[in-house]
Amino acid sequence: DIQMTQSPSSLSASVGDRVTITCRTGQSINTYLNWYQQKPEQAPKLLIYSASTLQSGVPSRFSGSGSGTDFTLTISSLHPEDFATYYCQQSYITPWTFGQGTRVEI
Amino acid sequence: QLQLQESGPGLVKPSETLSLICSVSGGSISSVSYYWGWVRQPPGKGLEWIGSIYYSGSTYYSPPLKSRVTISVDTSKNQFSLRLSSVTATDTAVYYCASLYDGYFDSWGQGTLVAVSS
Repeated sequence: DIQMTQSPSSLSASVGDRVTITCRTGQSINTYLNWYQQKPEQAPKLLIYSASTLQSGVPSRFSGSGSGTDFTLTISSLHPEDFATYYCQQSYITPWTFGQGTRVEI
Repeated sequence: QLQLQESGPGLVKPSETLSLICSVSGGSISSVSYYWGWVRQPPGKGLEWIGSIYYSGSTYYSPPLKSRVTISVDTSKNQFSLRLSSVTATDTAVYYCASLYDGYFDSWGQGTLVAVSS
């Protein structure tokens, strides 16, 4: 299985801050990396797929980058509705695996 | 836009079988573009992929769960289902069904909490 390690596990930020979350994989996965946002009591929502492609309807303040084993999710200017938990997921090979999550809180 | 909805019992006894159905609307489960999958999330924890199925019936399962999981598809009803046998308290989780396109989960059901308790 491909191990996924996100950092940090949690972070405190303020509205307007630039936030960066990192995902590292246990082996190279090219750009088969996806990011999800999950708010309390809600299902996850796809934000970015293939490392850097924004899902339709997702605000442009979200961006993704990276390839191989190191990836980042960046929120350029944090909005109040962005306080949530973020997960990375590899789609290189089954079993599909997720990172442990990064909680973004005030 | 695909919509998915999980249904099934919210309480299952230890050693019994958990059974859930996912109803798909807004598109055909026989689409050649999609796989269909189940993901679970224990309370306060992260996401775990359980398994996936193609409309033809081809399946992929998470290795730790493979011996206990069966995912099937009913194209006539536009549904797919999950069965997890011999459940224990560690199987207590919110269970989500989702559509998979190219390995990423692009539409999700709202999730259903299944508790394992006597």
